[in-house]
Amino acid sequence: DAEITQSPRHKITETGRQVTLACHQTWNHNNMFWYRQDLGHGLRLIHYSYGVQDTNKGEVSDGYSVSRSNTEDLPLTLESAASSQTSVYFCASSDQGNTEAFFGQGTRLTVV
Amino acid sequence: RKEVEQDPGPFNVPEGATVAFNCTYSNSASQSFFWYRQDCRKEPKLLMSVYSSGNEDGRFTAQLNRASQYISLLIRDSKLSDSATYLCVVNAGGKLIFGQGTELSVKP
Repeated sequence: DAEITQSPRHKITETGRQVTLACHQTWNHNNMFWYRQDLGHGLRLIHYSYGVQDTNKGEVSDGYSVSRSNTEDLPLTLESAASSQTSVYFCASSDQGNTEAFFGQGTRLTVV
Repeated sequence: RKEVEQDPGPFNVPEGATVAFNCTYSNSASQSFFWYRQDCRKEPKLLMSVYSSGNEDGRFTAQLNRASQYISLLIRDSKLSDSATYLCVVNAGGKLIFGQGTELSVKP
């Protein structure tokens, strides 16, 4: 069955370190998204991509970057982790057009 | 103003009650609409899509009013298992924007 997976599921890192969260989907979807979820804010869009070599900034992109070198993967990099980036991160993918999105299980990141 | 707004709740209702959630969106170019369900900060999962003509899936009814930029979800005969957070989602040009979510707690 097609799926979308995130790794790691949990990570603790130190302030200032570079961190990369992986997202891999086997749906062959063109669209991929990264969100963060914090209490009181719901899911906020960080970056998104509509296809290979395409990346776009979302609502809360400062301090984050993504790259899309193939259809299956959209890794999210925190260039220099900050305590304010402690959050739960969700990756999602969707087919072209106005279709539903499927989510990974999430990565709980703690920056100490 | 947020692009998608929901009443965060919580809504505390007894089993068997009917409960309604509302959502408004600001981008008139939005093209498709969904309700997702999220349990205990796990990944959101699609509950149902929302169509202009309204759609029903068992105890759940979703409606869209494009003129008022308003989406609703009605849950009839609430079950304990309906306790979750319900997320209103708007798709504008392929970008999915989430509301803050409405928490529902169904009590025995």
